[in-house]
Amino acid sequence: IVMTQSPLSLAVTPGEPASISCRSSQSLLYRDGYNYLNWYLQKPGQSPQLLIYLASNRASGVPDRFSASGSGTDFTLKISRVEAEDVGVYFCMQAIHRLTFGGGTKVEIK
Amino acid sequence: EVQLVESGGDLVQPGGSLRLSCAASGFMFSAFWMSWVRQTPGKGLEWVANIKEDGSEKDYVDSVRGRFTISRDNAKNSVYLQMNSLTVEDTAVYYCVAQNGHGNWGQGTLVTVSS
Repeated sequence: IVMTQSPLSLAVTPGEPASISCRSSQSLLYRDGYNYLNWYLQKPGQSPQLLIYLASNRASGVPDRFSASGSGTDFTLKISRVEAEDVGVYFCMQAIHRLTFGGGTKVEIK
Repeated sequence: EVQLVESGGDLVQPGGSLRLSCAASGFMFSAFWMSWVRQTPGKGLEWVANIKEDGSEKDYVDSVRGRFTISRDNAKNSVYLQMNSLTVEDTAVYYCVAQNGHGNWGQGTLVTVSS
């Protein structure tokens, strides 16, 4: 399954919103009714931290300014008001079978 | 709290071997597939291998099939990656990932293959 993520990079003014898109070459909707699509943020020198699991569920401790939606092949991650601590590379990952990944979106502050 | 702790990364010469370990806690380890993923600055993220809950099914990316072996010990809540015939292209940070719906990652362990 090929994951296509856009944009490649994003420069955002603090307090402004941001949106990242992830598209899969096959449906990520499994027979159990869940979409096996996760979103992660990787800060420099750190391992990926889980933001969203199963397409729209915020992981424990993730601020509510992060939200995600989508089903099937089209998914979106939104940050309602970007803060300085949100900089890093965001990527999507599908977990239907062999894990595959979006190419990443580098978010920086203007 | 879910925790995945990798270990075993090291500097090894081409042709050498390493065994990576991942100790899991905070979820029902024996109920989920587990994967190994590697990351390099040049190639990005690459899935390496995964293993079914009971170890009865295993799958590998073509570039490591025949050289790497994934295994697990559900009694110890651990998954392993035996890596043989290592090449410089295997140099990466290796992560274990829980395919538990949440997709938790460990902190990674660095494997460097160099003479």
